[in-house]
Amino acid sequence: DAGVIQSPRHEVTEMGQEVTLRCKPISGHDYLFWYRQTMMRGLELLIYFNNNVPIDDSGMPEDRFSAKMPNASFSTLKIQPSEPRDSAVYFCASSMPGSVSVNEQFFGPGTRLTVL
Amino acid sequence: GQNIDQPTEMTATEGAIVQINCTYQTSGFNGLFWYQQHAGEAPTFLSYNVLDGLEEKGRFSSFLSRSKGYSYLLLKELQMKDSASYLCAVNDYKLSFGAGTTVTVRA
Repeated sequence: DAGVIQSPRHEVTEMGQEVTLRCKPISGHDYLFWYRQTMMRGLELLIYFNNNVPIDDSGMPEDRFSAKMPNASFSTLKIQPSEPRDSAVYFCASSMPGSVSVNEQFFGPGTRLTVL
Repeated sequence: GQNIDQPTEMTATEGAIVQINCTYQTSGFNGLFWYQQHAGEAPTFLSYNVLDGLEEKGRFSSFLSRSKGYSYLLLKELQMKDSASYLCAVNDYKLSFGAGTTVTVRA
């Protein structure tokens, strides 16, 4: 299996621009997670989906952030408009069917976002 | 809310043993994970504990005491490649991560 795939790997944009991050989970995994990692705040869960349905978006920082999962093999995280404080590494992770409590999460390589 | 504490940094010598402690106070508990993250890379799964006691996996072992809200990750026979950040993560219905412990292995 190719693992979790994320694109782009690096993104540099200017403040105010729209940014879209993409994720393809491991085939057969029905949980998908979006995380953000910064030096100051560590690794934070933004939102997670089960069977393409958003279950918990309490970690989404504000209305500028939105996430969708139109099908089992694709998810997007969008920031509009972007701000310099959004600069971080954004990870997507997926896990197997069953209880999210017991299944390890497999992380993608991350997207390093820099907002100037 | 979630409160997960682990030391910021640890340094050890190649071949030695290092123990990384993690204490937690969370609203719920459905298991504790340890992840390893090398600089510039994604976290990768190391271990999972849901019952009290020790889980051993080769050079790595993880211990859990639910009554004390305490876990540790034990790294034995340290190798240079073990230099990384080690993240403790508690699962209630979703994972909450500690800030991570950066382990530096010196020759």
